[in-house]
Amino acid sequence: AQSVTQLGSHVSVSEGALVLLRCNYSSSVPPYLFWYVQYPNQGLQLLLKYTSAATLVKGINGFEAEFKKSETSFHLTKPSAHMSDAAEYFCAVSHYNNNDMRFGAGTRLTVKP
Amino acid sequence: DVKVTQSSRYLVKRTGEKVFLECVQDMDHENMFWYRQDPGLGLRLIYFSYDVKMKEKGDIPEGYSVSREKKERFSLILESASTNQTSMYLCASSLPSGTYGELFFGEGSRLTVL
Repeated sequence: AQSVTQLGSHVSVSEGALVLLRCNYSSSVPPYLFWYVQYPNQGLQLLLKYTSAATLVKGINGFEAEFKKSETSFHLTKPSAHMSDAAEYFCAVSHYNNNDMRFGAGTRLTVKP
Repeated sequence: DVKVTQSSRYLVKRTGEKVFLECVQDMDHENMFWYRQDPGLGLRLIYFSYDVKMKEKGDIPEGYSVSREKKERFSLILESASTNQTSMYLCASSLPSGTYGELFFGEGSRLTVL
């Protein structure tokens, strides 16, 4: 079965600083990988997804993630944090032939002025 | 705009009560899911359905059941609510396997069991 591990339950950065949220996955078959964002009192929204095309994936709001098979990682980055990026971020994994998706425990991002 | 709608945003129930959480999607998606979200644990899959009247257990099905009588509607049922089922419940839908599998989520139902 597939799984993901998010390193760091809380990450705090200053406005304008680099954002790096870490995700490692475990999968016996080629994975599909996703990052979702959740703002307070809302459901999850898709930020970006990797589906075996380009290894560097660009998403909404200036976020991007790089799939590294050798490291089994899919870390999320943004060059310059904005106050509006404060939210909880979830990494998730699924497969081409799977109906289900598995999520990490989440990382809460705080952006300081 | 695509939409997944959960019938109740906030519910308060008593121990032993039967609880229905309903979810409707307007995207004609084959797959529907119920997740439970708890701090520090992320989202855990309770049940999913890949077709009308079809269901599969997820990682934490104990104490829950589901119903899918129509393609657009997927209900989560707590037969006898307990305090350890106090949580946020998220419904989602997606296209079938063999596609990109992106999930579309509702806004969540926060259940408190007293």
